[in-house]
Amino acid sequence: ETGVTQTPRHLVMGMTNKKSLKCEQHLGHNAMYWYKQSAKKPLELMFVYSLEERVENNSVPSRFSPECPNSSHLFLHLHTLQPEDSALYLCASSREILADTQYFGPGTRLTVL
Amino acid sequence: AQKITQTQPGMFVQEKEAVTLDCTYDTSDQSYGLFWYKQPSSGEMIFLIYQGSYDEQNATEGRYSLNFQKARKSANLVISASQLGDSAMYFCAMREEGAQKLVFGQGTRLTINP
Repeated sequence: ETGVTQTPRHLVMGMTNKKSLKCEQHLGHNAMYWYKQSAKKPLELMFVYSLEERVENNSVPSRFSPECPNSSHLFLHLHTLQPEDSALYLCASSREILADTQYFGPGTRLTVL
Repeated sequence: AQKITQTQPGMFVQEKEAVTLDCTYDTSDQSYGLFWYKQPSSGEMIFLIYQGSYDEQNATEGRYSLNFQKARKSANLVISASQLGDSAMYFCAMREEGAQKLVFGQGTRLTINP
């Protein structure tokens, strides 16, 4: 059983579509993260939430909009994306925001046409 | 400057052999943590092992051990008795004191041959 789940696992969308990625953690953690993994680039942190409050936004374009309704759920709302936004989007959680280990979900592979 | 450097883009190893994946890091902090993650083709980033900068002993977790050489700023991952299921991308990462994010290296693709 995986502690962090993500849906959908695969998503293809057009540039004018609006879609959302969902992440759920079953570990009782208080911090959640969105990362972007593009081909041939290191993972990039996008957003950090601690107890449902956003604490970091790494200069992410406004076409990505995160939402954290509670400490177990994290969403990434997508609208008017560009083809270069195609990537694997990984969600992670940790016990606290400065806790040592982050646990990742399986990711959503996004393709923007 | 890159904070995490993994110099081996790909490695090929025979099954049952030991393998060492290299990682060097750059930080001026005295307190930091080093991590290794495994990413199979399915995409999930699986946590393997953690080493704190003040830990005096090298971390071990089953077949995984971390060869931590603080003066050289290296944190190599050693996998003993490799198995076919070890074939994956491996990422080294660091979190500096007070930082919320992990900084990842470019990764090493490990292929275990039967």
